[in-house]
Amino acid sequence: GENVEQHPSTLSVQEGDSAVIKCTYSDSASNYFPWYKQELGKGPQLIIDIRSNVGEKKDQRIAVTLNKTAKHFSLHITETQPEDSAVYFCAAHNTNAGKSTFGDGTTLTVKP
Amino acid sequence: DTAVSQTPKYLVTQMGNDKSIKCEQNLGHDTMYWYKQDSKKFLKIMFSYNNKELIINETVPNRFSPKSPDKAHLNLHINSLELGDSAVYFCASSPDRVYEQYFGPGTRLTVT
Repeated sequence: GENVEQHPSTLSVQEGDSAVIKCTYSDSASNYFPWYKQELGKGPQLIIDIRSNVGEKKDQRIAVTLNKTAKHFSLHITETQPEDSAVYFCAAHNTNAGKSTFGDGTTLTVKP
Repeated sequence: DTAVSQTPKYLVTQMGNDKSIKCEQNLGHDTMYWYKQDSKKFLKIMFSYNNKELIINETVPNRFSPKSPDKAHLNLHINSLELGDSAVYFCASSPDRVYEQYFGPGTRLTVT
């Protein structure tokens, strides 16, 4: 089955700095890669995603890159703000099986 | 209007009891999921239904039984609760099996 590794497990940055979270996956059948943000006491919420036929996608301060050959993808947050503090999950999704495998999460803390 | 709702939000019960968690989505989605998030925040898929049909059944004890009376509802019944069942359970829905998932607010189950 799919295995997703996510690093780092915790990340602390100063407000205004950039934050990068990296994930690797094992199953080449995975073809959709969403990122979710989970705030305290809430369910995960999709913030950005990328499909396997695309190498990079950007949405304001958030960007995601995908390297299918190396089987890794990354989340980049620029100009971080305290409200970016949360747990971030990457996932690798196999659209044929209809199943997402999640990374173990990264706790991001943005210090004002 | 809440897109994916779960009841109850908190559930405290004793070992050996049977309990149910209900989930409803008003997004018109075809696919619904149950996830378990343990104390380390790891998010693991348990079940997935597509148009009321079970399509994913991970290695979950038989004490857990999902039921989908219609496309908008996916309930989770747990028999003979054990201490290790304590976790936050998330319901999610997706337009199809393919892409983004929308999570409910979670049900925190505590077994004493």
